Amino acid sequence: GENVEQHPSTLSVQEGDSAVIKCTYSDSASNYFPWYKQELGKGPQLIIDIRSNVGEKKDQRIAVTLNKTAKHFSLHITETQPEDSAVYFCAAGSSNTGKLIFGQGTTLQVKP
Amino acid sequence: DAGVIQSPRHEVTEMGQEVTLRCKLISGHNSLFWYRQTMMRGLELLIYFNNNVPIDDSGMPEDRFSAKMPNASFSTLKIQPSEPRDSAVYFCASTVYTGELFFGEGSRLTVL
Repeated sequence: GENVEQHPSTLSVQEGDSAVIKCTYSDSASNYFPWYKQELGKGPQLIIDIRSNVGEKKDQRIAVTLNKTAKHFSLHITETQPEDSAVYFCAAGSSNTGKLIFGQGTTLQVKP
Repeated sequence: DAGVIQSPRHEVTEMGQEVTLRCKLISGHNSLFWYRQTMMRGLELLIYFNNNVPIDDSGMPEDRFSAKMPNASFSTLKIQPSEPRDSAVYFCASTVYTGELFFGEGSRLTVL
């Protein structure tokens, strides 16, 4: 069935360093790849997304890359700050239906 | 906040009791999703509706689970009878016209 693998499960970086989280997906029909940030006790919040007609998208310190041939996509956070500490989820699915399959999540810790 | 309101935020109940979780949408949404989040299984899609019609309920774990969407702005997820293994955070989420998925704050269910 449809599957999304996310790595690493935990990531610890020093403030100011970069963080990279990688995901692979199995359903070649997927055309929408969002990333969510979840803070303790809250629902996941959309931080950036990319659609299959582009290979890269950037929003300030956050960037996503997509390789449809290899079926993988990545989240890059530069100049990390302590407030970036949270659980990050990748997802893959259809922009038509909104149906998404989520990765297992990455707990990011940014040490001051 | 894209207008997905869940209640209750916390529910503690005893095994065998009926549980009803509620989701209210602010206007502008077109699809509604119920997800369950646990440490072991991550974010799992239970069911989703489009224009109030259930489209895919393949993620509903058992017949004890049921969901309804009587109108465009309201949905319920019911568990009857509840079991300890149902303990999780249940999220309602909805898409807007751009296809982005927005989550509510979640309902944390504990079944004793």
